[in-house]
Amino acid sequence: DTGVSQDPRHKITKRGQNVTFRCDPISEHNRLYWYRQTLGQGPEFLTYFQNEAQLEKSRLLSDRFSAERPKGSFSTLEIQRTEQGDSAMYLCASSLGGSPYEQYFGPGTRLTVT
Amino acid sequence: AQKVTQAQTEISVVEKEDVTLDCVYETRDTTYYLFWYKQPPSGELVFLIRRNSFDEQNEISGRYSWNFQKSTSSFNFTITASQVVDSAVYFCALPSNTGKLIFGQGTTLQVKP
Repeated sequence: DTGVSQDPRHKITKRGQNVTFRCDPISEHNRLYWYRQTLGQGPEFLTYFQNEAQLEKSRLLSDRFSAERPKGSFSTLEIQRTEQGDSAMYLCASSLGGSPYEQYFGPGTRLTVT
Repeated sequence: AQKVTQAQTEISVVEKEDVTLDCVYETRDTTYYLFWYKQPPSGELVFLIRRNSFDEQNEISGRYSWNFQKSTSSFNFTITASQVVDSAVYFCALPSNTGKLIFGQGTTLQVKP
């Protein structure tokens, strides 16, 4: 399977703990995006990378959130000192470039903060 | 600012009925693209179609068709002869000039047998 993969698929953590998610994009895609989706809403943009460079961050991405894409391959999204409001589905997508290229999404990581 | 509105929160139809999902967008760009994605119960967003603002011809792919009207800023999606497998949440999306997607709230389609 050469699609976008994400790990873990589910994560339950206690408030105040740190969590890290991983995304492996489609191999030839140089763009990688992170989105967050809460119940009943459309995905909301968090940040994106062009190769290893992080080019845009949403205001949703507080200082507790950090993302990296070393060597322009896989990416990690870390949330420090998790809060209950962080509970959501975290989606990763990759594309060959910016618009108009379509983005291909991974299955997501569902985070539950108790 | 760019915005996508999907006013229909939920639609329920009986199998074999036709159904249209509405999408209205706002953008100041003169050239832009629009996308539709499907999110089945499994959760993974699946790309369905991309259209550019230069091409207002209707697009048909099997039972799916899309009607793009620049004059009304709408990009509607019709499923003909709906099937139970079409049950999903459907999102319309508009890419910004940096490439990030701006999604509508989504329309949940339930197709009953």
